[in-house]
Amino acid sequence: DSGVTQTPKHLITATGQRVTLRCSPRSGDLSVYWYQQSLDQGLQFLIHYYNGEERAKGNILERFSAQQFPDLHSELNLSSLELGDSALYFCASSERTSGSKSYEQYFGPGTRLTVT
Amino acid sequence: GENVEQHPSTLSVQEGDSAVIKCTYSDSASNYFPWYKQELGKRPQLIIDIRSNVGEKKDQRIAVTLNKTAKHFSLHITETQPEDSAVYFCAASTGSNYKLTFGKGTLLTVNP
Repeated sequence: DSGVTQTPKHLITATGQRVTLRCSPRSGDLSVYWYQQSLDQGLQFLIHYYNGEERAKGNILERFSAQQFPDLHSELNLSSLELGDSALYFCASSERTSGSKSYEQYFGPGTRLTVT
Repeated sequence: GENVEQHPSTLSVQEGDSAVIKCTYSDSASNYFPWYKQELGKRPQLIIDIRSNVGEKKDQRIAVTLNKTAKHFSLHITETQPEDSAVYFCAASTGSNYKLTFGKGTLLTVNP
């Protein structure tokens, strides 16, 4: 157990719908990263938040957005869902953005999204 | 942006043999190289990592080597066991944004 939690574990929804995925980082971790894992694209970085602020964006679609709240949990919002958005969505957390522990990212169990 | 190539995509070994997985990266600014193990349906689990100021790091049966000049790094697993069977991912990151760029993964099968 990495200490990172994600809810829900599974989500089945229809095309055009909107869903929210939730992530709670390890106690004390200030950074949250979101990744998408699909069979064709592999593991891809979406977005990084540090202590409530967006720090970096990857290949995140405009239909997707995220935020990190004052209690440090993060939510990933996916809207106008398409079949191709079906994937495993992982969040990861790390301690800080400087120092020796800043690089290590610990992944949560993931949310499996199925769009029908 | 960074591009990470990983080989082989599948690897089958006999229990007790060694396994080697290789990765190359494109961005010379990358300075952190972790390896993750992912069992079917589970989360990626950090198993070992190496910084650019170190050439080799070992942790029991696993080791990672880094050649900055050639921009490649490798994972070595000795005395493999059936429970080592999983998909292994290499990744690279720079200190500026910390995002991980992953290789496509290697499915390692250890046959008893």
